[in-house]
Amino acid sequence: KNQVEQSPQSLIILEGKNCTLQCNYTVSPFSNLRWYKQDTGRGPVSLTIMTFSENTKSNGRYTATLDADTKQSSLHITASQLSDSASYICVELIKAAGNKLTFGGGTRVLVKP
Amino acid sequence: NAGVTQTPKFRVLKTGQSMTLLCAQDMNHEYMYWYRQDPGMGLRLIHYSVGEGTTAKGEVPDGYNVSRLKKQNFLLGLESAAPSQTSVYFCASSPLPDRLSTDTQYFGPGTRLTVL
Repeated sequence: KNQVEQSPQSLIILEGKNCTLQCNYTVSPFSNLRWYKQDTGRGPVSLTIMTFSENTKSNGRYTATLDADTKQSSLHITASQLSDSASYICVELIKAAGNKLTFGGGTRVLVKP
Repeated sequence: NAGVTQTPKFRVLKTGQSMTLLCAQDMNHEYMYWYRQDPGMGLRLIHYSVGEGTTAKGEVPDGYNVSRLKKQNFLLGLESAAPSQTSVYFCASSPLPDRLSTDTQYFGPGTRLTVL
């Protein structure tokens, strides 16, 4: 069973609208929690990296939040654009396990005009 | 800078054939990684290297071998390909980890491999 679960698996939103993606992780403590964006046919690109002491991090229209008590993270996309159509992957880094990265299965987002 | 490049982009193999995937990075990174990505699953680490001349096994190393003879290159070999190795393969590189391990991994564009 994957230790990083993402929901929903996919979603469709209209251009200009906001959306929130969820990530639940099971291993704690961890070193940092990452969000990546992966365009179709491309490699993942880092959006945000949050350490265990941070509870929010922004990168332009992307805002990630972290709740260590509930072991949940979310990625909020504001005023979506067509270029936001991609998969978004939540990743947990566990330093105690030799900096092991555990990847979620991703949420596929489709932004429609 | 080209970042992380991978060759080839696509390949079709027959069961039992061998091949080598090449990854190159021009960022002078110490660490390099090979992952595979299968539909509906997260990326899984195959092998990794923490420096020139060193390699280590990841989560799913069986059926693969790697070599890091030069700092900028990381090769992934399949000695006898099997249909279960049909996947998209990603190479990544990163600098030495900082104190909180917030170093970013930079990924290549991927190689789509089909084994018939």
